[in-house]
Amino acid sequence: QKEVEQDPGPLSVPEGAIVSLNCTYSNSAFQYFMWYRQYSRKGPELLMYTYSSGNKEDGRFTAQVDKSSKYISLFIRDSQPSDSATYLCAMSEGGRQAGTALIFGKGTTLSVSS
Amino acid sequence: DAGVTQSPTHLIKTRGQHVTLRCSPISGHKSVSWYQQVLGQGPQFIFQYYEKEERGRGNFPDRFSARQFPNYSSELNVNALLLGDSALYLCASSLDENTIYFGEGSWLTVV
Repeated sequence: QKEVEQDPGPLSVPEGAIVSLNCTYSNSAFQYFMWYRQYSRKGPELLMYTYSSGNKEDGRFTAQVDKSSKYISLFIRDSQPSDSATYLCAMSEGGRQAGTALIFGKGTTLSVSS
Repeated sequence: DAGVTQSPTHLIKTRGQHVTLRCSPISGHKSVSWYQQVLGQGPQFIFQYYEKEERGRGNFPDRFSARQFPNYSSELNVNALLLGDSALYLCASSLDENTIYFGEGSWLTVV
């Protein structure tokens, strides 16, 4: 079992749809959770970050972490064609031992059609 | 403010050669990490440096090495290149465990 599982998709939705992206993980020591967006042949761009469990909202994006279920989600409301990209979940244990070493999912490719 | 800058952006090397990739972190960031991303996969952690000290190492062979300089910039070195080393090499800089920013990467092709 991989440490972080993410459905690679592809996921195709019409413009304006609500998109749900998810990751599951096995390491209960993970405390820091992030979502990155990566356009083709570009570096990952930090979208959202959450420490421990809970929800966080930023504009059209909402990140949720459920540590009891080892499950994290990213919701995109009113999706736009410009949201078409690969979305990567990432997580780390943090602290001096693990530092900022991130473990990534494979990424989910999202396509939003106009 | 400038983001994380990496050089070169693209390079082609022959099997058995050596490569050096360079990274300048965001101003004020003391932590630099390196990742390898092959097509269709998420980035895989190689090294982390903080204040010139190695803080973490991923599951990569000894052919991979790195260092961090007094100005917090960093180099990743790969010796005896294999075809399987062809990938996007990403540098990330951070102030803390939450906000980790990546550069655009260096595309390495080994032929």
